[in-house]
Amino acid sequence: AQSVTQLGSHVSVSEGALVLLRCNYSSSVPPYLFWYVQYPNQGLQLLLKYTSAATLVKGINGFEAEFKKSETSFHLTKPSAHMSDAAEYFCAVSDHPGTYKYIFGTGTRLKVLA
Amino acid sequence: DTGVSQDPRHKITKRGQNVTFRCDPISEHNRLYWYRQTLGQGPEFLTYFQNEAQLEKSRLLSDRFSAERPKGSFSTLEIQRTEQGDSAMYLCASSFPGTSGNEQFFGPGTRLTVL
Repeated sequence: AQSVTQLGSHVSVSEGALVLLRCNYSSSVPPYLFWYVQYPNQGLQLLLKYTSAATLVKGINGFEAEFKKSETSFHLTKPSAHMSDAAEYFCAVSDHPGTYKYIFGTGTRLKVLA
Repeated sequence: DTGVSQDPRHKITKRGQNVTFRCDPISEHNRLYWYRQTLGQGPEFLTYFQNEAQLEKSRLLSDRFSAERPKGSFSTLEIQRTEQGDSAMYLCASSFPGTSGNEQFFGPGTRLTVL
């Protein structure tokens, strides 16, 4: 069965600093991995996804993630944090083949300090 | 493409009452998912529809919960005899099998508060 672990429930960075949010996965098949962002009282918006193509995936708003099979990781990065990046971030793995339902991590709340 | 919509956005109810939520997926998406998100946690899968068929239900979906998707379009999630533990955000998502990785598109959610 697939699973996801997000290390660090809260991360604080200064505006302009590097953002690094960690995600490790477990999957018996080549995984489909996703990062979503959630702003308060809103649904989830896709940042980027890995579906076994390029290992370095670029997403929206300057975010990117690198799939590392040897480390079973899919960490999310952004070179320079902006105040508008403050939100909750979720890593998810898709249950495939099958229903393709998502198994989510517990989330990381990003705080950006002025 | 107007996105996934959910109604209502907020629902406050008293313990023991029944509530029903609606989800309208993106029109060409034949896969529909319901998730529940409690405070400080990631969303947890509840149930999955392919067209009108409910193909998987989580053990989280007790017998007080029922979901339908008549005609394979909108879906409803009903909770009978609500309990305080049902307080959560209920998220609906839809997808189309042709998209890479079966990317899901989420609605804004319905926040349920049970008093």
